[in-house]
Amino acid sequence: KAGVTQTPRYLIKTRGQQVTLSCSPISGHRSVSWYQQTPGQGLQFLFEYFSETQRNKGNFPGRFSGRQFSNSRSEMNVSTLELGDSALYLCASSFAVFRGSYEQYFGPGTRLTVT
Amino acid sequence: GQQVMQIPQYQHVQEGEDFTTYCNSSTTLSNIQWYKQRPGGHPVFLIQLVKSGEVKKQKRLTFQFGEAKKNSSLHITATQTTDVGTYFCAGKIQGAQKLVFGQGTRLTINP
Repeated sequence: KAGVTQTPRYLIKTRGQQVTLSCSPISGHRSVSWYQQTPGQGLQFLFEYFSETQRNKGNFPGRFSGRQFSNSRSEMNVSTLELGDSALYLCASSFAVFRGSYEQYFGPGTRLTVT
Repeated sequence: GQQVMQIPQYQHVQEGEDFTTYCNSSTTLSNIQWYKQRPGGHPVFLIQLVKSGEVKKQKRLTFQFGEAKKNSSLHITATQTTDVGTYFCAGKIQGAQKLVFGQGTRLTINP
């Protein structure tokens, strides 16, 4: 079974630009979560999508948005980039989040650098 | 807000020494998961604990879930260089549908 894939793996943008990151979950997984990882803040939860609906949202400004498609693939968008948005963005998929086992399988991440 | 605190933030040990990281939640958890992230890698799921007082072992790793389901620990016996990485706990807050990650404990080992 193929793992979680994220594209692109590396990205360099300038302040004020916008960026779209993509995540393809493991086949059969319907839940996709996004995290921002920085050395100082650890893993910060951005949002989670299940069956094309955003079910949970972290404490990030509205510049961060996401969506999920009918095939469970997900995208996240960051508009008006700031230097502080430089981070590793991780996507994680899981089979179910409601109950029972729902371990998350992480992708390799997209390393975003904002200059 | 709902938080999961993890200590210590960093731990450096000599190879062969034991290592423990602790996770504490301000609220009761439905379950807790542990992940390991190697340097330059992404978090990889290790285990999930669900029951109060549960203890699980994976070779040299022992995971415990507290009786009150508010704390957890990961203990590694006789560390090896392959244990290097950052260990995260992630708790599912009771009644909520999201995981809250601890800040992680970064383990480095002197061979």
